[in-house]
Amino acid sequence: GAGVSQSPSNKVTEKGKDVELRCDPISGHTALYWYRQRLGQGLEFLIYFQGNSAPDKSGLPSDRFSAERTGGSVSTLTIQRTQQEDSAVYLCASTRTGQFGGYTFGSGTRLTVV
Amino acid sequence: DAKTTQPTSMDCAEGRAANLPCNHSTISGNEYVYWYRQIHSQGPQYIIHGLKNNETNEMASLIITEDRKSSTLILPHATLRDTAVYYCIVKFDTNAGKSTFGDGTTLTVKP
Repeated sequence: GAGVSQSPSNKVTEKGKDVELRCDPISGHTALYWYRQRLGQGLEFLIYFQGNSAPDKSGLPSDRFSAERTGGSVSTLTIQRTQQEDSAVYLCASTRTGQFGGYTFGSGTRLTVV
Repeated sequence: DAKTTQPTSMDCAEGRAANLPCNHSTISGNEYVYWYRQIHSQGPQYIIHGLKNNETNEMASLIITEDRKSSTLILPHATLRDTAVYYCIVKFDTNAGKSTFGDGTTLTVKP
């Protein structure tokens, strides 16, 4: 597609439930990133996928968080047993490795845990 | 990636130039300076990047000091739509790997 697509745009869930957030990157972009942004704060790195390499998971805050990228394209971020502190906007970005121009971000998924 | 320091907030009059500073005193030779902005409720948007030469595109100009320890993003004629949080980051040239976004500078353009 023309841009990075994220779904859903908004998600309200009850504490303790699992949620899945989806990211559809720009076609041909080999690198995909997930960031989290709490209200009024900056972007917090979560995980990075690059081609067929093992992902950089160094930013995942706990083992309740996991992500996968199937076929080198679509990625799903899963949060298990959600907590209120998980409430944030989850942003996905993609880029074509080896070229400049910065990341292209999606519009994000606003997650609210009640 | 090198750490950056930016002022928390700045104001600018509409139609005037907005000059946003960034310090990156620990930048290494192969690290580029990137600027993004985030308008309320949207994902960040890439603006410009550079290594050591000044750069200009349709959105902005980037001035990097000779020692590369600081840079300035210039919006030549700020409009109300330029009100946003501006992030300065440094990263290596392959555009691979994570980037560390700080808290950025909140620019408010006033009429």
